[in-house]
Amino acid sequence: EIVLTQSPGTLSLSPGERATLSCRASQSVSSSYLAWYQQKPGQAPRLLIYGVSSRATGIPDRFSGSGSGTDFTLTISRLEPEDFAVYYCQQYGSSPYTFGQGTQLEIK
Amino acid sequence: QVQLVESGGGVVQPGRSLRLSCAASGFTFNSYGMHWVRQAPGKGLEWVAVISYDGTNKYYADSVKGRFTISRDNSKNTLYLQMNSLGAEDTAVYYCAKASCSGGSCPLFLWGQGTLVTVSS
Repeated sequence: EIVLTQSPGTLSLSPGERATLSCRASQSVSSSYLAWYQQKPGQAPRLLIYGVSSRATGIPDRFSGSGSGTDFTLTISRLEPEDFAVYYCQQYGSSPYTFGQGTQLEIK
Repeated sequence: QVQLVESGGGVVQPGRSLRLSCAASGFTFNSYGMHWVRQAPGKGLEWVAVISYDGTNKYYADSVKGRFTISRDNSKNTLYLQMNSLGAEDTAVYYCAKASCSGGSCPLFLWGQGTLVTVSS
């Protein structure tokens, strides 16, 4: 099983700032099958990024993904008020299709 | 419109069974793999199970293997999760989610709103 470790657990930033979220895998993620999801309180998760760096339909270009192998990053270039939420990475290259434990992005 | 609607959640005693359903609409259900993902109260997401577009391939998390069964009825555009021998650790919101391909190795583009399962005596 691939274990995904996200850091930091909580990130406190202000609107307009840049956010950098990390996801580290216990072994290489095959074929770059790494996704990022956003979840707001009381809502289902929403796909942001897939294939490490491809934005899902309707996702603003301030969201970007990068990385390879075992180290991946989600970057939000300029935080908007609606971006404060919990973010999860997921590997879907091999079953079980594990999620990271999440990063809470909160308003400073 | 394109949507997934889960149902079947509720309060169930430890050791009992429950079956969840997920009704799909607005897309060609029999072309896509489907997943179940759960989230315990105040916790993160946990992947549970996946089924291929035609039901021939199924995979499970170790935590539910042997107790849970994923299935689908393509004639009814419905996904199921049969949960047996439930324990307190199974208390969670259960989401169904649509993969972007026919199997499991693709991201989850569409999620339902979730159904809460509470295991308690």
